Amino acid sequence: EVQLVESGGGLVQPGGSLRLSCVASGFTFYDYNMNWVRQAPGKGLEWVAYIASWSTTIYYADSVKGRFTISRDNAENSLYLQMNSLRAEDTAVYYCTRGLIRYKSGWHFDSWGQGTLVAVST
Amino acid sequence: QSALTQPASVSGSPGQSITISCSGTSGDIGVDNYVSWYQQHPGKAPKLMIYDVSYRPSGVSSRFSGSKSGNTASLTISGLQAEDEADYYCSSHTTSSTRGLFGGGTKLTVL
Repeated sequence: EVQLVESGGGLVQPGGSLRLSCVASGFTFYDYNMNWVRQAPGKGLEWVAYIASWSTTIYYADSVKGRFTISRDNAENSLYLQMNSLRAEDTAVYYCTRGLIRYKSGWHFDSWGQGTLVAVST
Repeated sequence: QSALTQPASVSGSPGQSITISCSGTSGDIGVDNYVSWYQQHPGKAPKLMIYDVSYRPSGVSSRFSGSKSGNTASLTISGLQAEDEADYYCSSHTTSSTRGLFGGGTKLTVL
């Protein structure tokens, strides 16, 4: 069974930093592309960042480019999101999501973690 | 404003069919068949219901189906059941700047 477990969320002041982690199990982590998707309270889903299976390709949403960094450690089956210069509008539940297996083309998220809440406020 | 446009809400009675539309552009939905749909119940993580326009993941009911025409994709739920009441999101991606896109979400109410 595929499992994605996020951690690292919490309350942080504007301008602060936070590092989210996601531990994967139940599949061959290094074979899959991964993403972060967020959802502000009461709002819709927003894609945040993508990383290829061996980190060869990385994409960011315009709203986080230059402030957030996605990374992964395939030896540890872990995905990360380093968030710097946080703003109130970054307040959201952040989901770790599995993308496609590395040799397939496409764009969808077939497994989701339970999410971790990031609140940016004074 | 979301990149993909969905109706804010739809409703239907048990046993009926409903369709949710998702409008994009020739730079996203219109460029390939990588449209997906997600169901989200309150307080829960989203669940993949349809991928590549019309394919159902294992375990998803055949009552859910997807289609696409030009720059607009659609999700149809037939034989509505009470447990279908949820928020539904479409998703695609741009090819120019390679970023993910979601619709604003549609709240389905089963009357």
